[in-house]
Amino acid sequence: GAVVSQHPSWVICKSGTSVKIECRSLDFQATTMFWYRQFPKQSLMLMATSNEGSKATYEQGVEKDKFLINHASLTLSTLTVTSAHPEDSSFYICSAGPGLTSGRAYNEQFFGPGTRLTVL
Amino acid sequence: QKEVEQDPGPLSVPEGAIVSLNCTYSNSAFQYFMWYRQYSRKGPELLMYTYSSGNKEDGRFTAQVDKSSKYISLFIRDSQPSDSATYLCAMTTGNTPLVFGKGTRLSVIA
Repeated sequence: GAVVSQHPSWVICKSGTSVKIECRSLDFQATTMFWYRQFPKQSLMLMATSNEGSKATYEQGVEKDKFLINHASLTLSTLTVTSAHPEDSSFYICSAGPGLTSGRAYNEQFFGPGTRLTVL
Repeated sequence: QKEVEQDPGPLSVPEGAIVSLNCTYSNSAFQYFMWYRQYSRKGPELLMYTYSSGNKEDGRFTAQVDKSSKYISLFIRDSQPSDSATYLCAMTTGNTPLVFGKGTRLSVIA
């Protein structure tokens, strides 16, 4: 399958600071990228869907001004957690796939290894 | 009722046992069914992918989908300690985001 990387794999930051997480598709063009959050012993919860060159679509309850998503190229999407608080500590996972219009975006996702965020 | 229900376990089995993992769902529009394996502090890795009803086999893994009962299963034969992980079921209509189960934590004891 296709390879998706995330950087950093682990980050600790102070409360009130901003943290940027990168998601890269290494060997294919990812028209659509998804960002998930996973709390301990919980399932993956979709935060937002982004299409290259367009604004991200956020799921209900996810603050778009707090979780800034940029998908400026077909190989890179970034998630910035602004003014992070301890309750934002979680495991953030991205996935990448073909465009939504392909009809395969949701069932052909390739997941990154995740980024563990700890906010002190 | 949640869209996807999955027993979180934990499930502990001896090496060599047959493991059965299951999910039930409520949305009859789901058409694509996946099983992911997730090791601790890692991203999900796709194990099996099934479209509509039926069985699919890949090595020691068999996925079954029964759409009439809204029930999917993953069987692992000759389980190994390296199979110890959390197994997530996920499904989609094809036009909507993946919906994941909570995951079942499996431990295979040598």
